[in-house]
Amino acid sequence: AQTVTQSQPEMSVQEAETVTLSCTYDTSESDYYLFWYKQPPSRQMILVIRQEAYKQQNATENRFSVNFQKAAKSFSLKISDSQLGDAAMYFCAYRRGSNSGYALNFGKGTSLLVTP
Amino acid sequence: DTAVSQTPKYLVTQMGNDKSIKCEQNLGHDTMYWYKQDSKKFLKIMFSYNNKELIINETVPNRFSPKSPDKAHLNLHINSLELGDSAVYFCASSQGGRGLGYTFGSGTRLTVV
Repeated sequence: AQTVTQSQPEMSVQEAETVTLSCTYDTSESDYYLFWYKQPPSRQMILVIRQEAYKQQNATENRFSVNFQKAAKSFSLKISDSQLGDAAMYFCAYRRGSNSGYALNFGKGTSLLVTP
Repeated sequence: DTAVSQTPKYLVTQMGNDKSIKCEQNLGHDTMYWYKQDSKKFLKIMFSYNNKELIINETVPNRFSPKSPDKAHLNLHINSLELGDSAVYFCASSQGGRGLGYTFGSGTRLTVV
């Protein structure tokens, strides 16, 4: 089974600073996708960033970037210039294969607090 | 236009009742899902449907029955509701194996009393 582990239940960062959220996963597949989703108090699930495993280049979306280490099965999210609106739960997710309808396996989430 | 819409957003009901949650997507996606988020915020896949065909059922009790009348709709019917069914249920859709991301509905908070 492709398990996803987020070892930080809670993180805190000051506005304008940088924070990194950790994620590791377990898989025997060579080709897969990884995602970070944000869930603010409104409970809406918002896609932050995605990474294709066959691409060596780390994905970047504005202030959000990932450090994808395929051999180590690590997929961390870096948030630069943190803003108050970044406060939310962040979930790391692994996309399963076609036999599972490409469903996502989620980690348990990291609650990010942003302080002024 | 809402991409994935679920109704209702909130549902409070008594133990033993039967209830349904509806989901519709207008993205043209071929795959739809139901996820359950428990009180600790853990999200777990329940069902996956591709073009109206059930792909996976993740050891969900038989009291939960999904129905997909067409590939734009995936409804969830729950019989004989139990206290432990209280959770937030999310519908989501994606375009099969393209891995472009998944669009989630806004969730239905189900409270069983």
